[in-house]
Parts: sequence; C-alpha cells; structure tokens
Amino acid sequence: DGGITQSPKYLFRKEGQNVTLSCEQNLNHDAMYWYRQDPGQGLRLIYYSQIVNDFQKGDIAEGYSVSREKKESFPLTVTSAQKNPTAFYLCASSIERGYNEQFFGPGTRLTVL
Amino acid sequence: SQQGEEDPQALSIQEGENATMNCSYKTSINNLQWYRQNSGRGLVHLILIRSNEREKHSGRLRVTLDTSKKSSSLLITASRAADTASYFCAPLDQGGKLIFGQGTELSVKP
Repeated sequence: DGGITQSPKYLFRKEGQNVTLSCEQNLNHDAMYWYRQDPGQGLRLIYYSQIVNDFQKGDIAEGYSVSREKKESFPLTVTSAQKNPTAFYLCASSIERGYNEQFFGPGTRLTVL
Repeated sequence: SQQGEEDPQALSIQEGENATMNCSYKTSINNLQWYRQNSGRGLVHLILIRSNEREKHSGRLRVTLDTSKKSSSLLITASRAADTASYFCAPLDQGGKLIFGQGTELSVKP
C-alpha cells in the first residue's frame, strides 16, 4: 500500500510540554510539508522540505521544529513556545516542490489541556 | 493576504443537482489545484489546471480558469450524497507554494 501516514490520530498535551507528530511516506517523494488547519479555516504552511537534510520555514514556523534525516520521514515537533497549538495538523508530500499535486496524510488532531 | 477566496462559503443542494464553487486569488500562478476534504480527514487532490489552460474535465468535475480575472470555478455535475465535503482551491504561486483558501462546505441532501 503506497501512501502517507500520520500518527497518532489524536494527541493531548499539557501546557509546557513538547510533542512530536510523526509523518511517513512510501511514495518516494522528495518534497514533504506540514500544514496547520484551524476550524473553518484553510491550511497554513508550517515547514517544508525539498530534499533530505534540508527544510525551510513556511508562513507560521514559530514554535515548531522539524527534521528530515530520511527521505521517508518528516516529523514535526510542537514546542512549548507555540502559543496556541490546539489544531489539526496535516502532512503532505509531492514528487518535487511546486508544479505537482500533493498527497495528504489523514491528519493529527492536537489538543492542549 | 495571498489566500484564495472561495465563494460561497457553504452550499446546500439536492442529489442530482449541479454544484458550482468559485475561487479568486491575488497572485500570479503556475497552476491551480482543487482539493476535497471529508470532515476530520486529510485532503484529496481532485484536479490540476495549468495557467495556460482554460478548462479541464475529470469525470463529473469541470474546472475553468481565467487568469485575467484571477478566478477559477469547480462544477460538480449530477451531485451525490457522497460528494458532501469541503472543497478547497489552491493556486500554486510562482515560488512553488500552494495557497489555500477557507474552502466551500458542500452538503448534498439525498
């Protein structure tokens, strides 16, 4: 089964804690992305990576960090510096950045208690 | 804001009717993509139209693009209850970034 997976589906965090969201793809895509979606809103880009060991800030990178040590994996850490982290987080991948369609994972819903 | 804007924000129709959603954007684009999202799920790519194309079809979907007016429309013909979802247009800007609007929430009643 080819695709992009995210885990966990639901995540609860206490204030002041860092949490890491997992994103894995077996589509052999070079580019990967993290988006945040708030209720009734569109998607906002947090970080993207065009290739292994490279990543760039998106529009709302403050309070988040990423790594891209393997082509298949692009984990997102939501740090305690993120003021309002409760949201739906979506990971996506594409053959290369730009021009192509993006394939999305099922999402992780993060709630801060 | 560079966000695309969908219109209407919500649309409710009966099964068998056509659904038309419109999108406007502000920046120059390479292509424009439409995505669908079922409640609480990830997005699914529907169709991509390049900046030099004016119309594209895929099954029951018809997309138009008018770059002079910076607008696009998505038509779903003969809608089904299973088409109930949110639909997003996403222009791809010259820097390679997809710009998502707030989406149109479509409800198709059986």
